[in-house]
Amino acid sequence: DAMVIQNPRYQVTQFGKPVTLSCSQTLNHNVMYWYQQKSSQAPKLLFHYYDKDFNNEADTPDNFQSRRPNTSFCFLDIRSPGLGDAAMYLCATAPGLAGRETQYFGPGTRLLVL
Amino acid sequence: QKEVEQDPGPLSVPEGAIVSLNCTYSNSAFQYFMWYRQYSRKGPELLMYTYSSGNKEDGRFTAQVDKSSKYISLFIRDSQPSDSATYLCAVNSNSGYALNFGKGTSLLVTP
Repeated sequence: DAMVIQNPRYQVTQFGKPVTLSCSQTLNHNVMYWYQQKSSQAPKLLFHYYDKDFNNEADTPDNFQSRRPNTSFCFLDIRSPGLGDAAMYLCATAPGLAGRETQYFGPGTRLLVL
Repeated sequence: QKEVEQDPGPLSVPEGAIVSLNCTYSNSAFQYFMWYRQYSRKGPELLMYTYSSGNKEDGRFTAQVDKSSKYISLFIRDSQPSDSATYLCAVNSNSGYALNFGKGTSLLVTP
């Protein structure tokens, strides 16, 4: 089945220790998104790629970066995690950027910062 | 004013009840309306997708959009314990790329 896969499902890191979260997709979609979702809150878009073009949301902290080496994979790098970065990180894909396009979400990676 | 407002609940109903979940939104440019279901510690799963005003039915689920009042609803008939989850509404405009989510309503269906 075509799907969005995220690894690891749970990640524990130490305060200030860089961490990388991974997303892969078999849908061959052009767009990949990263959202941050804190407990009982709406998912918040951090950035997205349309193919190789990267778009950072204005309020995404500099601490968060992303890489997309090919169509299938996208990575979220947190350079120096703080306690406030503990959250669920959701990867989503879509065929295109138009508002009518459905976004398909992965299962998420839950990040704990000690 | 937030783009999308959604009562977080929690909402607790007995099995078999009809559930009504609602959202309001502020921007009249929104044309695409979605409901996602999110089980605990999982990613959101698309449940219903509607374009513009009207009703859409899929099994026990009905999505309703009233653009004149900027109000969207999800009805669940004959609710089951397996429906226990958080339900997120999301809206988008034709030119938007980012989904505008509500905070989600937590639903518990008790046997």
